[in-house]
This record gives sequence, structure tokens and C-alpha cells, in this order.
Amino acid sequence: EDKVVQSPLSLVVHEGDTVTLNCSYEVTNFRSLLWYKQEKKAPTFLFMLTSSGIEKKSGRLSSILDKKELSSILNITATQTGDSAIYLCAATGKTSYDKVIFGPGTSLSVIP
Amino acid sequence: KAGVTQTPRYLIKTRGQQVTLSCSPISGHRSVSWYQQTPGQGLQFLFEYFSETQRNKGNFPGRFSGRQFSNSRSEMNVSTLELGDSALYLCASNWGTGTTGELFFGEGSRLTVL
Repeated sequence: EDKVVQSPLSLVVHEGDTVTLNCSYEVTNFRSLLWYKQEKKAPTFLFMLTSSGIEKKSGRLSSILDKKELSSILNITATQTGDSAIYLCAATGKTSYDKVIFGPGTSLSVIP
Repeated sequence: KAGVTQTPRYLIKTRGQQVTLSCSPISGHRSVSWYQQTPGQGLQFLFEYFSETQRNKGNFPGRFSGRQFSNSRSEMNVSTLELGDSALYLCASNWGTGTTGELFFGEGSRLTVL
């Protein structure tokens, strides 16, 4: 059965710290890995990764996919309290007929 | 451009009742997916509709059903509610064709079953 696993499930850091969130997947006909941030209700899109080894960056956030290890990491540097959220990882199959499978999420709390 | 709209936002029901949740996707999006989110479980896939047809289904009991209308709006129904059905129900839309990718989520419907 297809699955996505994330670690850690929760962590607490101080402002200014750098954090690394992990995601691993076992998905038939894997195509892409997605990262979302969920602050209140609606998850918002961060990154889509399809190629191994190519880092995607947006401000203090960056992510990279390792297809050999079936995993991805999301890095957040110089964390701020506004980064407090649940970070969701999801994997998709190759076709529109494949489900988007989400992991359990990592709950990040950044304290001043 | 209006986002994904879900109604109602909050509702309280009692065991044994049924509930219907509604989702209006972004204009032009033909795919609507539903997810159940509970603490510690993440987003559990319920089903996906594309052009009024259920294209995919998760591992939920038959009490959970859905449909999609010709204007791409979707509803999901849960019959004979159980306490464990208390959750945030999220709807997401995208174009539904070509490369699977970004999902656009609504704010969710928070269901509490007493």
C-alpha cells in the first residue's frame, strides 16, 4: 500500500534556529513530491519536486528530492515565529488517475 | 480569482445523524478531492471526482459518499455518524488533467459528532 512517512512528528525550536524536516515515500509509479504548510485551516503549497538532486528555494525555505533514497527534506533557516505550522509532505503518481498521498505532517513550533 | 469554498465551516451533529458538506472549486478546475484530517493521522484521502465521475477512492467505509455536479461543485455525505467521524474535512481542487501537482485547498468543514 502506498504510504508517506514524516519525521519528526513535532518539534519545538527557538527563533533563529535551522530545522530539517524529513519525508519518505513508498508510492507506486511515483512522479512528484509536494510540500505544504498548514497554519490555520487550508494547507498552502510550498514546493513540487520531480527531479532528484535539484534544490528548490523560496526565501528561507528549501527542499530537495532523493529518488534513490525515496525521500525528501525541507529546510528552514533562521526560523521565525511565523514559521510555526504543520508541514505536510505528499507524493503523487504519474497519471491524473493516481491519488495524492499525504504524510501525517510535522508540527513545528518556533518560540521567541 | 475566488478560491476553493467549503460550507458549512463548522457543524455539530449527534451520533446516528447524517451530514452533507459542500465544496465549490476554483473556476476552471474539474477535479475535486476530499480529505479527512484528524490529529496525528494527517490527511486521509476519501475520494476524488473528475467530470462528475469518481476517479479514485480511499479506504473509508461506505457511510462516506460523494458526488460531483456538472459545474464541478462537489458534495460529500456521511451517514450514520460515529464519534470517530469528528474531524476537519478538507476539499481540494485542481485542473485534473495532465501532470498531477499542486492542490488548492479550501478552509475546511469542522465536524463535531457528539
